[in-house]
Amino acid sequence: QVDLVQSGAEVKKPGASVRVSCKASQNAFTANHLHWVRQAPGPGLEWMGMINPSGGSTSYAQKFQGRVTMTRDTSTSTIYLELSSLTSEDTAVYYCAHSSGWWALDYWGQGTLVTVSS
Amino acid sequence: QSALTQPASVSGSPGQSITISCTGTSSDVGGYKFVSWYQQHPGKAPKLMIFDVDNRPSGVSYRFSGSRSGNTASLTISGLQAEDEADYYCSSYTSSTISVVFGGGTKVTVL
Repeated sequence: QVDLVQSGAEVKKPGASVRVSCKASQNAFTANHLHWVRQAPGPGLEWMGMINPSGGSTSYAQKFQGRVTMTRDTSTSTIYLELSSLTSEDTAVYYCAHSSGWWALDYWGQGTLVTVSS
Repeated sequence: QSALTQPASVSGSPGQSITISCTGTSSDVGGYKFVSWYQQHPGKAPKLMIFDVDNRPSGVSYRFSGSRSGNTASLTISGLQAEDEADYYCSSYTSSTISVVFGGGTKVTVL
């Protein structure tokens, strides 16, 4: 069983940055990758990128390159998503997710609502 | 506009079978066995239902099955039940950007 527990909701102003955390159970940190996926209001999922928890290597979706940073803290089994230069279009629920292999997301966090509003 | 194309909605009566399609290209759905399907109930996180085109994770009902023909993958739900009413998303690895792409989602309604 893999558990992913995310930080609480955030409200940010346009132009600001947000940092979302995802604490993983110890066995989840041996995963190939942990991913971030977001869901704007309404249907639709969008992959943002992934991080290898053990080595720290990352891969970001082209859309977010230059604006997103994914990091991890092995001492606390926690990964972080930081997104900068926020606009109203970044208002969404952000999920972390685990993959045992590479591309199938078999466990998900509960989601973190980020609201960008002036 | 999503990279993978799904019908916006599909409906069926209890006990019937329904199929949801997911159309991509040879750079994603048609080129790699990394197609997954997710079920999402309102206010909940997505749940993996099918991975690698046609594999079911432990604990997922046998009523859910996946397949692929060319650049189109499909999810079939047999013996439709009220609890199957949800949004369903396909996803695939894509070599064009070395990333994951999702379909726009299909709302399944049980009549």
